[in-house]
Amino acid sequence: SAVISQKPSRDICQRGTSLTIQCQVDSQVTMMFWYRQQPGQSLTLIATANQGSEATYESGFVIDKFPISRPNLTFSTLTVSNMSPEDSSIYLCSDQTGGHNEQFFGPGTRLTVL
Amino acid sequence: QKEVEQDPGPLSVPEGAIVSLNCTYSNSAFQYFMWYRQYSRKGPELLMYTYSSGNKEDGRFTAQVDKSSKYISLFIRDSQPSDSATYLCAMSINDYKLSFGAGTTVTVRA
Repeated sequence: SAVISQKPSRDICQRGTSLTIQCQVDSQVTMMFWYRQQPGQSLTLIATANQGSEATYESGFVIDKFPISRPNLTFSTLTVSNMSPEDSSIYLCSDQTGGHNEQFFGPGTRLTVL
Repeated sequence: QKEVEQDPGPLSVPEGAIVSLNCTYSNSAFQYFMWYRQYSRKGPELLMYTYSSGNKEDGRFTAQVDKSSKYISLFIRDSQPSDSATYLCAMSINDYKLSFGAGTTVTVRA
C-alpha cells in the first residue's frame, strides 16, 4: 500500500478561522477520500477528492464548509472553513487503488477549535 | 438504527487470552468486510479484508463473516500488550463507501 502523510498532525485554532490540511501519497492512487472522526464516534466520509474536478460530497457536508482540492494523483487538501468548536475532530485522508475496496489511511490531523 | 453496530467496550483481557470482537449490520447488500486497528493518536491500519462469507486467518488474527446472520467477528489469539488499541469494523457494498462501526477499545494487561 502507498504511504500517506498528513500536515499538520495537530492544530489549535480560533473560531471563525480556516485551516487547510494536506494529504500526500508516495505513489499515484486512483481515489482519495476525506473522513472525520469525532470523539467516541465512528469514521464518517466527508467527500471523495476527484483529480482535476470538483469533489463529491456526502450528505451533510458542503463545499463551502469543506472545500477540497486534488491537483494530481498524489496530493489533496481539505479546508475546514469558518470553524466552530463543533468542528473539533480528527480529520483523516485515505486512498484506494485498483479494483479492490481496501482503503488505507493517513495518520490524521487532530483539530481543536476554541 | 445504525447501519453497523459495534460494542464500544472497553474490553480488558490478560495477556495470552483470546480477544473476541464483533459487529452486526443491517444492510444485506454488504459484501466486503474489513477490520482496522487504530492506536491512540494514529490513523486506522487495515488488519483484515474479507469478501463475502467465511473465515480468513492471518497469523494470530482470524476474521469470520456470517452473512446469513449479518454478523462479523475478529479473534485475536495469544493476545499481547501491543494489541491494545481500538478495533474498527468496516464494510461496503461494492464501491468505495465504507460504513464503519464505532470501534471497540481493547486493553491487554501484562
